[in-house]
Amino acid sequence: RKEVEQDPGPFNVPEGATVAFNCTYSNSASQSFFWYRQDCRKEPKLLMSVYSSGNEDGRFTAQLNRASQYISLLIRDSKLSDSATYLCVVRESSASKIIFGSGTRLSIRP
Amino acid sequence: NAGVTQTPKFQVLKTGQSMTLQCAQDMNHEYMSWYRQDPGMGLRLIHYSVGAGITDQGEVPNGYNVSRSTTEDFPLRLLSAAPSQTSVYFCASSYSNRAYEQYFGPGTRLTVT
Repeated sequence: RKEVEQDPGPFNVPEGATVAFNCTYSNSASQSFFWYRQDCRKEPKLLMSVYSSGNEDGRFTAQLNRASQYISLLIRDSKLSDSATYLCVVRESSASKIIFGSGTRLSIRP
Repeated sequence: NAGVTQTPKFQVLKTGQSMTLQCAQDMNHEYMSWYRQDPGMGLRLIHYSVGAGITDQGEVPNGYNVSRSTTEDFPLRLLSAAPSQTSVYFCASSYSNRAYEQYFGPGTRLTVT
């Protein structure tokens, strides 16, 4: 079983739709969680951290469920510019171990 | 502020050749790391460094060497290139190994024939 698993997609949704994807992690001792965004043939960039209480940044909402060991990302009112691959990232209790999921590809159509 | 820079952007090697991928950052970050990204595999950590003079192995270190003689530079050396090392390589840095945000360079696309 992979340490961090994501549905690879692609998710193909119309502009304005709401889309959500999950990421599961295997190590219950994991401490920190993040979503990164990666555009085609570009480097990953931090989208948002994920806090235990959940957090929101504009149209983006991230949630953490420690009991079930998953994190989620919700995008409301999706824009064409949201088309990208979204990487789930987990930092384990040993701070040097940062694990990336293989990414979920999102495509927004006009 | 250039951030994290990597050279070259593209490279083709023959099996058995060696080369060094360069990485530099101008943000005075202590923590630097190298990842490789393959289709369907996500980013996998090759080596990392928590400061000048200190390096350690990540998940997939075989076939690669690193050194960290200065805070700014963290080169990755391929000792004897193999087709299995065909990948996109990203260098990243952060303020510390506990900082929540890593800054990535633009990547080096390496093909080994």
